[in-house]
Amino acid sequence: GQQLNQSPQSMFIQEGEDVSMNCTSSSIFNTWLWYKQDPGEGPVLLIALYKAGELTSNGRLTAQFGITRKDSFLNISASIPSDVGIYFCAGPHTGTASKLTFGTGTRLQVTL
Amino acid sequence: DTAVSQTPKYLVTQMGNDKSIKCEQNLGHDTMYWYKQDSKKFLKIMFSYNNKELIINETVPNRFSPKSPDKAHLNLHINSLELGDSAVYFCASSQDPRASGASYEQYFGPGTRLTVT
Repeated sequence: GQQLNQSPQSMFIQEGEDVSMNCTSSSIFNTWLWYKQDPGEGPVLLIALYKAGELTSNGRLTAQFGITRKDSFLNISASIPSDVGIYFCAGPHTGTASKLTFGTGTRLQVTL
Repeated sequence: DTAVSQTPKYLVTQMGNDKSIKCEQNLGHDTMYWYKQDSKKFLKIMFSYNNKELIINETVPNRFSPKSPDKAHLNLHINSLELGDSAVYFCASSQDPRASGASYEQYFGPGTRLTVT
């Protein structure tokens, strides 16, 4: 079945640093979604990408739809303590559009 | 003005009991979902309903039964609870992803942490 692998699995960074994470798949996706999950809360949609090569920003967050359609990247600039959480990529399942496949997650910890 | 709400937030119960989790969305979406998140934070789809019709039913024990009284509500009833059912359950909603030009964006509730003892 479709799998989305996220890298790194976890990261510890200092406040003010920039963060990069990625999401890769063995199959093509036509949409990439990036979510953030705060501790004890539900995932919140950050950015949606619909075209190969597309680069979209949301404040300090920038996400890119990989040109091969098999990957996507999320960057966070000048991290702050509230960036702590788990970041998930997701995309619609090829066979069943109603179903989202979620990535394995990247856990971000920010130290002062 | 909560978009997707779930009750209860926490549920602690004993093995063998029957319990329900409720979900409501006020986004006007046609499609609603139940997900299970395990201790490793992996999110897995369980069910999906579109306008009260079941459209996704993953390999879930039949002790789990979703019920959708209308398109704004999707409840999850669990019979004969087992230790392995302990997890966080999330409700979500979206536009109908099968519709032409529809968005795949799903919006999640705050989750229900179920602990079975």
